[in-house]
Amino acid sequence: DTAVSQTPKYLVTQMGNDKSIKCEQNLGHDTMYWYKQDSKKFLKIMFSYNNKELIINETVPNRFSPKSPDKAHLNLHINSLELGDSAVYFCASSQDPAFQETQYFGPGTRLLVL
Amino acid sequence: RKEVEQDPGPFNVPEGATVAFNCTYSNSASQSFFWYRQDCRKEPKLLMSVYSSGNEDGRFTAQLNRASQYISLLIRDSKLSDSATYLCVVKPYSSASKIIFGSGTRLSIRP
Repeated sequence: DTAVSQTPKYLVTQMGNDKSIKCEQNLGHDTMYWYKQDSKKFLKIMFSYNNKELIINETVPNRFSPKSPDKAHLNLHINSLELGDSAVYFCASSQDPAFQETQYFGPGTRLLVL
Repeated sequence: RKEVEQDPGPFNVPEGATVAFNCTYSNSASQSFFWYRQDCRKEPKLLMSVYSSGNEDGRFTAQLNRASQYISLLIRDSKLSDSATYLCVVKPYSSASKIIFGSGTRLSIRP
């Protein structure tokens, strides 16, 4: 009964490819997030959606495009992958934007771009 | 100056020891503070909130010093299972603002 799940867990791909990561939460939360954690362990927010609407959009290359088909799902599509995109991508959810601090994270997707 | 700063460590202490580490934040208007724990190759998980008057949760004590703009986490009687990276989290003054994670302090407890 995983609360926040992500697929795939590992993704190894060549530069220039396009890939997607999927995220689903079964907590009934309204808000979902995508984070990138680089090799130095900084956890940086990329996007946040509240009830399918984009509410946080950090300075992220427009090769990254989130999509929220419903409030339980937030997918991340990445075009033209670059070496610097290699990182761990975490999806998370919270009850609503006012409760960002109590977030439940997915297990992460380890992306390696060769 | 970074918005949230932590000593990366590693802090390497023997089992049973008491260990403490701090996290400094730059925005004096910051509203709320939290500690998350991240085990190696796992996702972050909320450990505890940090209240103005300080708070305890078992062997863990969190404190806030608004004047000096830092929060602290103290772990008493450390266990091997406490080995992890501890992430400081700061919530700015507006509920709509994004929370900010520190880069974490790595703690290693040795037998």
